[in-house]
Amino acid sequence: ETGVTQTPRHLVMGMTNKKSLKCEQHLGHNAMYWYKQSAKKPLELMFVYSLEERVENNSVPSRFSPECPNSSHLFLHLHTLQPEDSALYLCASSPRDGSSYEQYFGPGTRLTVT
Amino acid sequence: DQQVKQNSPSLSVQEGRISILNCDYTNSMFDYFLWYKKYPAEGPTFLISISSIKDKNEDGRFTVFLNKSAKHLSLHIVPSQPGDSAVYFCAAGGTGTASKLTFGTGTRLQVTL
Repeated sequence: ETGVTQTPRHLVMGMTNKKSLKCEQHLGHNAMYWYKQSAKKPLELMFVYSLEERVENNSVPSRFSPECPNSSHLFLHLHTLQPEDSALYLCASSPRDGSSYEQYFGPGTRLTVT
Repeated sequence: DQQVKQNSPSLSVQEGRISILNCDYTNSMFDYFLWYKKYPAEGPTFLISISSIKDKNEDGRFTVFLNKSAKHLSLHIVPSQPGDSAVYFCAAGGTGTASKLTFGTGTRLQVTL
């Protein structure tokens, strides 16, 4: 397995469910990100982890809860979501040595909240 | 307020011709710019980048031009190929915010035969 992987690729959940999205990177990076992509909107940065410490939280509702147990894994725990949370959730990773701004993305999880 | 703007939601170009995708930004603190390409059901893929100390960067068929005074950058694809059909995102980052990229809304490029 190479690059950045995300599971599941598709998820349908009710508003009362609890689910988790998983991201894994095999690039040796030590920064990881969660983005939300809604139709006709720019990618919205949700959370940034650097060396497993959360360094950015862009006013994301508490129904989204990230977890970064190590530099290779990132989770997004979901609970009591709303229909407007339906979107493509993308994970990305990058080096944190200042060598580049480039972020490498996973394929995303298409989330539908019913 | 959208700091990175891609005003053309779509573009259609004939195979073999030049594709020009445009991007404007408002934040003068941005000093690094990137283009990403996205196919359906896949995540964005890094394509090419440019630092604010340059005005041009070339990689094969792809060239990015930066006009700092106009706060404008463009991606040129020459010659365009059907496999280039995708959504292209412009992104920008600034010194001290290396972890944070601001993205545009994307331009869908269709390369026709």
